[in-house]
Amino acid sequence: DAGITQSPRHKVTETGTPVTLRCHQTENHRYMYWYRQDPGHGLRLIHYSYGVKDTDKGEVSDGYSVSRSKTEDFLLTLESATSSQTSVYFCAIRGTRTETGTDTQYFGPGTRLTVL
Amino acid sequence: AQTVTQSQPEMSVQEAETVTLSCTYDTSESDYYLFWYKQPPSRQMILVIRQEAYKQQNATENRFSVNFQKAAKSFSLKISDSQLGDAAMYFCAYRGGNQFYFGTGTSLTVIP
Repeated sequence: DAGITQSPRHKVTETGTPVTLRCHQTENHRYMYWYRQDPGHGLRLIHYSYGVKDTDKGEVSDGYSVSRSKTEDFLLTLESATSSQTSVYFCAIRGTRTETGTDTQYFGPGTRLTVL
Repeated sequence: AQTVTQSQPEMSVQEAETVTLSCTYDTSESDYYLFWYKQPPSRQMILVIRQEAYKQQNATENRFSVNFQKAAKSFSLKISDSQLGDAAMYFCAYRGGNQFYFGTGTSLTVIP
């Protein structure tokens, strides 16, 4: 989706190192989400935000923290990466698009993270 | 907690034929939304179709339509006149309140 970017798109890191993934949106949506996608599990919610400095935990939040100091940016941090956190991470916003007139979820392109 | 179940890990369909992907969900809420997303090999998640629970009429988007059975908590996706570009992973999703819950996906192969 053109209005949602993620950086980096690919990252390889070592166990025990800190990692921060960034999600940036240009559409001023209030709600932002971080998911991880693993084979056989679909997408699972890590954390979400409902406004600047307002966040809540999702289904698989252990080992992850988030921050949102600006409406447009939502950061996901792995304080000490582990091999079990190797995954594809998706950021999403929840909003209404004029072309569809719906209130739904739109996704960034994903970040592939490998923890060795 | 809400759960979404897709019982068909893999499906295949001949080009130009029709295929139906199944999805069931569990919730105690009366007001919610259901979605189907497509994920092609590019990995981008693309919204296919959306259904509000309070609407009895089934949603349609061109060749895509749903069969929403609220009492049975069933939300299947029908793809008509299947095309090679329909080959992808399809995820069913439920939104209740601020959170979204996803099924484990169905991988659709389109046979030329």
